[in-house]
Amino acid sequence: EGQLVESGGGLVQPGGSLRLSCEGSDFIFGHYWMGWVRQAPGKGLEWVANIKQDGSEINSVDSVKGRFTISRDNVKNLLTLQMNSLRAEDTAIYYCMRGGANCGGDCYLDSWGPGTLVIVSS
Amino acid sequence: DIQMTQSPSTLSASVGDRVTITCRASQNIRTWLAWYQQSPGKGPKLLIYKASVLQNGVPSRFSGSGAGTQFTLTINTLQPEDFATYFCQQYDSIPLTFGGGTKVEIQ
Repeated sequence: EGQLVESGGGLVQPGGSLRLSCEGSDFIFGHYWMGWVRQAPGKGLEWVANIKQDGSEINSVDSVKGRFTISRDNVKNLLTLQMNSLRAEDTAIYYCMRGGANCGGDCYLDSWGPGTLVIVSS
Repeated sequence: DIQMTQSPSTLSASVGDRVTITCRASQNIRTWLAWYQQSPGKGPKLLIYKASVLQNGVPSRFSGSGAGTQFTLTINTLQPEDFATYFCQQYDSIPLTFGGGTKVEIQ
């Protein structure tokens, strides 16, 4: 089924930066679209970004364009989210997720990590 | 962007009940719809994709139906572990979007 574990969350001031990581195991990491979904405290789910198997295609929600960068290392089974110019509204639990088999970027999400909390506050 | 609207936002039920959750899309998404279950403090878990296909390992008391703009998730014979929040998600187009969630709580 595959396991995903996020790391890198924490408290950061507005305007600051943070780098999230997600390590995949028990599946062939390079065979899947990967991405991030976030959930503000007590709120619903918001898709953030995803990246194709070879990194050649990236999609992201408008609110993070120009601030967040998604990347991957298929040798290390690692997905990263570089977050710059952070705002209070970026405060959320960030989940790493895997796209379903034989899917493109527009797909269901068949495996999720437990999440890592990012708090943007002064 | 495609808007997803779930109803109700909260549902009170008892063990053994049958419950139905509705999800409506702002435009035709064919059957590109998934359902997720989220228990407190955990990441979401995929239950159903392509509107009605049960993910491996998900109990058969869960079922999904619908096409176009109207979809339903039904849980037959509610079990204690089913008290959780449920989300729908469209994957007809980017950006992927989710419904606001339905919390199934103990009556």
